[in-house]
Amino acid sequence: DGGITQSPKYLFRKEGQNVTLSCEQNLNHDAMYWYRQDPGQGLRLIYYSQIVNDFQKGDIAEGYSVSREKKESFPLTVTSAQKNPTAFYLCASSPGRGVYNEQFFGPGTRLTVL
Amino acid sequence: AQRVTQPEKLLSVFKGAPVELKCNYSYSGSPELFWYVQYSRQRLQLLLRHISRESIKGFTADLNKGETSFHLKKPFAQEEDSAMYYCALGSASKIIFGSGTRLSIRP
Repeated sequence: DGGITQSPKYLFRKEGQNVTLSCEQNLNHDAMYWYRQDPGQGLRLIYYSQIVNDFQKGDIAEGYSVSREKKESFPLTVTSAQKNPTAFYLCASSPGRGVYNEQFFGPGTRLTVL
Repeated sequence: AQRVTQPEKLLSVFKGAPVELKCNYSYSGSPELFWYVQYSRQRLQLLLRHISRESIKGFTADLNKGETSFHLKKPFAQEEDSAMYYCALGSASKIIFGSGTRLSIRP
C-alpha cells in the first residue's frame, strides 16, 4: 500500500471541538474526494476537488470544510456544527476529472466523538 | 434523481455455488457503472467497470439498460470472495455509491 495516506487512523474528539483529518497522495492525481462511510449507508460524498484551489460540495457537506492548496493534500475539517460526526472517513484520488477514472482510496480515519 | 440501489445487505452462499449481487440504478443519461470491493483489513478498490467489459477474479457484470441493472456475477464462489461489495454510478464529475452488500462464502 502507499500512494494515498490518511492520518491519524483513529481520532477522538470532545463535543464542540473542530478536528482536521489529513489526506495526502503522491500519485500526481488531479482529483481528490472525501467520503463518509456509515454502516448500511454506503459511501456518501462530503467534498471533492478536481484541481488545486478549487473544490465543490458533495451530498453531505454541512458541518465540514476542506482546502486544496497543494495538489498532494486535501485536508478535511470536521467542525462543531456537524451534528453526528462519529464515522469512518475515506479519502480518495483519481487521475482526472471524469467519472471514467478509477478512484484510489486511502486506509481511512475512524473519528469518535466522546 | 441519480441513485444506486443494492437491495441485499448480506448475501451468504456456499463455496462453489453461483453468486449474483444485485445492483439497480436510476440515471437519466448514459450510465457509467462500477463495482468496488473491500476485503477484510484492505482498502476499498475497483473490481471492474462497465466500460472495460472484462472479467476480474472470475466476476462479470452486464449492463442491462432496459432493467437499469448492473448485477455482479460469478459462476463458482471461492472463500476469498468474502468481502463488502459496492456498486457505483458515475455522474458528472463524481461517483455515487450504493449502500453495499456483504458477501459471505461458507466452506
